[in-house]
Amino acid sequence: EVQLVESGGGLVQPGESLRLSCAASGFIFSSYWMHWVRQAPGKGLVWVSRIKSDGGDITYADSVKGRFIISRDNAKSTLYLQMNNLRADDTGIYYCARNYGSGKVDVWGQGTMVTVSS
Amino acid sequence: QSALTQPASVSGSPGQSINISCTGTASDVGGYNYVSWYQQHPGTAPKLIIYGVSYRPSGVSDRFSASKSGNTASLTISGLQAEDEADYYCSSYTTISTWVFGGGTKLTVL
Repeated sequence: EVQLVESGGGLVQPGESLRLSCAASGFIFSSYWMHWVRQAPGKGLVWVSRIKSDGGDITYADSVKGRFIISRDNAKSTLYLQMNNLRADDTGIYYCARNYGSGKVDVWGQGTMVTVSS
Repeated sequence: QSALTQPASVSGSPGQSINISCTGTASDVGGYNYVSWYQQHPGTAPKLIIYGVSYRPSGVSDRFSASKSGNTASLTISGLQAEDEADYYCSSYTTISTWVFGGGTKLTVL
C-alpha cells in the first residue's frame, strides 16, 4: 500500500525550532518529487515547499523562505522539514505529498499538527 | 505568490450540477496545464480529483470534470450527491517554480 506518514509535530514557543518527518512506503521514494503543504485551523491549503527526487532542486513559499529547510533521505525513504524561528502564523496541520508528475499530487499523508504559542 | 481566487461557497440540490471557478494569472493558471483540484472532507487529508487541467485519477467518479480558459479554471460536479459536500481547492504551478492553491470553496448539498 502506498503510504505517507508524518510525525514530529507538537507545541513550541515562538522562535523555537521543530523538525517534521514524512516516512514513505509502498513506492520507490527516490523516483518522486515531494511537497509540504500546510493548513491553518479552519483555513485553506497553503503550499510550503517542494524537493526534486534527488534533492537537487528545491523551492519555497516566500512565507517560509530563509526559515524552513526541506530535505530528504532516499536511503531511508523519508522527507523532512526543518522549521526554524517559528511564528504563530506557522500553526497548522502539515501534510507531505507525492508529486507523481505533471502536477499530479496524488498521495497525501494524514498530517501532523504544529502549534506555535507562548 | 497570491492565492488563486475561488468563490467561498457554492450550493446545489441533489442531482443538480454546480461549477466552481478558480481564477489566477498568466503566471500560473494561464501559463501552464498544471491545474489540479482537490476535495477535502472535514478532518481528512485532501484527495486529488483532477490533474493536468482535466484528467481524472483512476477511481474518481466521472461526475467530476474540469476545464480551463485563459487564466480561469473550472470544476464541474454533475449529478450532485450528499457525499460531494466538502471543501474544494484548485492549485497551479507558477512561473517561479512554486505552487499555489486557491482559497477553497465550501460545497453545500441542500
